[in-house]
Amino acid sequence: KAGVTQTPRYLIKTRGQQVTLSCSPISGHRSVSWYQQTPGQGLQFLFEYFSETQRNKGNFPGRFSGRQFSNSRSEMNVSTLELGDSALYLCASSWGGGASEQFFGPGTRLTVL
Amino acid sequence: GIQVEQSPPDLILQEGANSTLRCNFSDSVNNLQWFHQNPWGQLINLFYIPSGTKQNGRLSATTVATERYSLLYISSSQTTDSGVYFCAGDLTYNNNDMRFGAGTRLTVKP
Repeated sequence: KAGVTQTPRYLIKTRGQQVTLSCSPISGHRSVSWYQQTPGQGLQFLFEYFSETQRNKGNFPGRFSGRQFSNSRSEMNVSTLELGDSALYLCASSWGGGASEQFFGPGTRLTVL
Repeated sequence: GIQVEQSPPDLILQEGANSTLRCNFSDSVNNLQWFHQNPWGQLINLFYIPSGTKQNGRLSATTVATERYSLLYISSSQTTDSGVYFCAGDLTYNNNDMRFGAGTRLTVKP
């Protein structure tokens, strides 16, 4: 079974631009969660989607948004990029039920100049 | 919000030594997991261990949910065990909203 895939793997943007990252979960998984990892703040939860609905959201500004499609693939968007948005963005997939192990993709490394 | 404390923050071992990594939670969590982050950033699943004890080769883990802590044991460490180890748990039962510790950076010297 294929693992979680994320595209692109690396991205360089400039301040003020917007970016869209993509995540394809493991086949059969209906939940996709997004996380941001920075040296200063560590790994932080962004949001989680299940069956095309956002179920939970972390403490991030509205510039960070996401969506999920009917095939469970998910995208996250960051608008008006700031230097502090430079980070490794990880997505995780799980089947989405109560007792649910999450599996992570390789991440997208975003650099904002 | 919930606090996840991992100790020690850094650990240096000689190859062949054993170690114990600890994870404390300030409140109850669900779906506790241990991960190893590889040099390229990917989180590799080690254990899904909401409670009880599991073993996988040289690694084992124990979670005592009632006391809000989990332990990861690494025996006969190898240089390939080097890296950062994270514990994490979901804040809510049905939503996959993991809270991570700051990690333990393990260095195993030959």
